[in-house]
Formats: sequence, structure tokens, C-alpha cells
Amino acid sequence: QQQVKQSPQSLIVQKGGISIINCAYENTAFDYFPWYQQFPGKGPALLIAIRPDVSEKKEGRFTISFNKSAKQFSLHIMDSQPGDSATYFCAARGSTLGRLYFGRGTQLTVWP
Amino acid sequence: EAQVTQNPRYLITVTGKKLTVTCSQNMNHEYMSWYRQDPGLGLRQIYYSMNVEVTDKGDVPEGYKVSRKEKRNFPLILESPSPNQTSLYFCASSYTPQGQPQHFGDGTRLSIL
Repeated sequence: QQQVKQSPQSLIVQKGGISIINCAYENTAFDYFPWYQQFPGKGPALLIAIRPDVSEKKEGRFTISFNKSAKQFSLHIMDSQPGDSATYFCAARGSTLGRLYFGRGTQLTVWP
Repeated sequence: EAQVTQNPRYLITVTGKKLTVTCSQNMNHEYMSWYRQDPGLGLRQIYYSMNVEVTDKGDVPEGYKVSRKEKRNFPLILESPSPNQTSLYFCASSYTPQGQPQHFGDGTRLSIL
């Protein structure tokens, strides 16, 4: 059973556009929601994260929007660049310490 | 340089031949974890360890063993590998016992024939 559902599976965006990736979860005990970015041949790297008591967090061109009542959160990449082309994973930390549940990933391609 | 090092990076082997994938971190992190990444499935947690001699199962522990005898090392053992364990494996570590944020190694691609 997929604990975190991520969409879309792939996304193509023009340079300068906005990329939006969505995730949803059911378990209200999840207490930390990170996003990871992965380039080919590399391990995932933490991009940005949010806690459920905050509705939005912004770091540079990357913003997480969090809707606790809907149990959804999303990643927005403003002014998308070709260098942003990568696979993005949302995740959620479980109520059991040390458990982390990942979405299935979104492959983002930014065309120049 | 702070890093998580996995070895080997690539391995092709045969069914039933025991293998070990090593993971070492030089950041004095308490927490370490193993994941497997399969196309369309994302990353799934295999085992994790919140401290030396403490290990727990993740989502997909069947067919795997781990040990945490010292803080820096967390090897993944496949006692009798099978083709369904062909995958890309990642080791991660974190300075917090809760496991966030996690620093990942660059992966080990295992092919089991």
C-alpha cells in the first residue's frame, strides 16, 4: 500500500515556467515532509522540507505548499531551468521514529 | 569531505551466491538506513538503524540482513540473492536519531541472474 501518492509521473516544462508536483498522504501521524532531488547516477539529495504546522515554505525558487486538512502537499519550482531536470521525490516521516515513506517520483524535464 | 560511501557501485552475480554491500559514513551520524529503488516504485526502506546494535525493519526486509557493530558502518547482506532483488540500492545516514535529513550515497546497482 502506497503511503505517499505522487503525481505526475513525468513533467515537461518550458524554461522559465512553473513546475508543480503534487503529493497526498492518508496517515495523519506523519510529521515531516521532505522533498528530494535526484540526478542520474547520484543518490537523492534533500531539497526542501516542511512540518505540518506550516502552510508554506520557500527557499529560493523552490516552494512547498502544505494543506493539512486535505492531506496534500506540493512542490513548486518557479522560473524552471534546464539544470532543474531531475527526478523529484516527496516523502513523509512516519510515526515510528526512523521510518520514511517515499512517493514514486516525478521525472522533470525542462526544455531550453 | 562528508560523505556516505557504498561498495561496490555495480555488481552482477548469480542466484544464491551470498553478497555484501558495504556502507560507510564519515559524519559520525547516529542513524543509517538502506533503500531499494525500482522503476515506478520510488524508494522503499529495507532496514534502518538508530544506533549501534539497534536495527529495525522497513517496508521490504525479506531476503536481507543488516548489522550495525560500529557507528560508521552499516552493511547490507543478501544471504541467498534472487533475481527479484535486482535493483538500485541506496544507503543513507542522518545526524538525528529520527532520521532527518538524510544524506544518501551514490548507489549500488545489483543484477542477480
